[in-house]
Amino acid sequence: NFMLTQPHSVSESPGKTVTISCTRSSGSIVSNYVQWYQQRPGSSPTIVIYEDKQRPSGVPDRFSGSIDSSSNSASLTISRLKTEDEADYYCQSYDISSWVFGGGTKLTVL
Amino acid sequence: QVTLRESGPALVKPTQTLTLTCTFSGFSLRTSGMCVSWVRQPPGKALEWLAVIDWDDDKYYSTSLKTRLTISKGTSKNQVVLTMTNMDPVDTAIYYCARIRDYHFDYWGRGTLVTVSS
Repeated sequence: NFMLTQPHSVSESPGKTVTISCTRSSGSIVSNYVQWYQQRPGSSPTIVIYEDKQRPSGVPDRFSGSIDSSSNSASLTISRLKTEDEADYYCQSYDISSWVFGGGTKLTVL
Repeated sequence: QVTLRESGPALVKPTQTLTLTCTFSGFSLRTSGMCVSWVRQPPGKALEWLAVIDWDDDKYYSTSLKTRLTISKGTSKNQVVLTMTNMDPVDTAIYYCARIRDYHFDYWGRGTLVTVSS
């Protein structure tokens, strides 16, 4: 099985743009779609990006996803940051009947 | 409207077996492509995938926990049951059930906190 590695924490100011990375340890990042979940304190995760870059209805277009095969990583970019974006973010992918989550990144908007 | 709700004991003793039930509505697990999964999250830690059951009754388990886990469809057509044997304090976590479609978790339950302590 592979692992997905995320930075432990990131911080940025309101109105700015932040990018969270998710690096796959083995196998190609393009082999299976990557998803991103937002988890606010005390709440269940909710999906913000699926299939690498698709946004579910209701998720603002400030959220975007991308894949970089050269670094074998996926990224979640949040632009025009709001204080309500402060949360933990998890990437997730799949391979051979196994679902894998990254270790999560705590986003602080200060 | 898709909803999922977890139920089970809040406290179990070490070595006991945990049984959790996920009761869902708004979709059928008989529909091709539908799956229900269990995910857990120890306090202050990351999400950890545990198990999946699909519309065809195929079952998949986390490699590290497969010897302790069993996932099954419940007696009611809108329920999925997870059992985990030989519980240990490190298994203390919030246990979530979630629907999977196209390999991603699109709906989650609120989760249930299970504490393992004597």
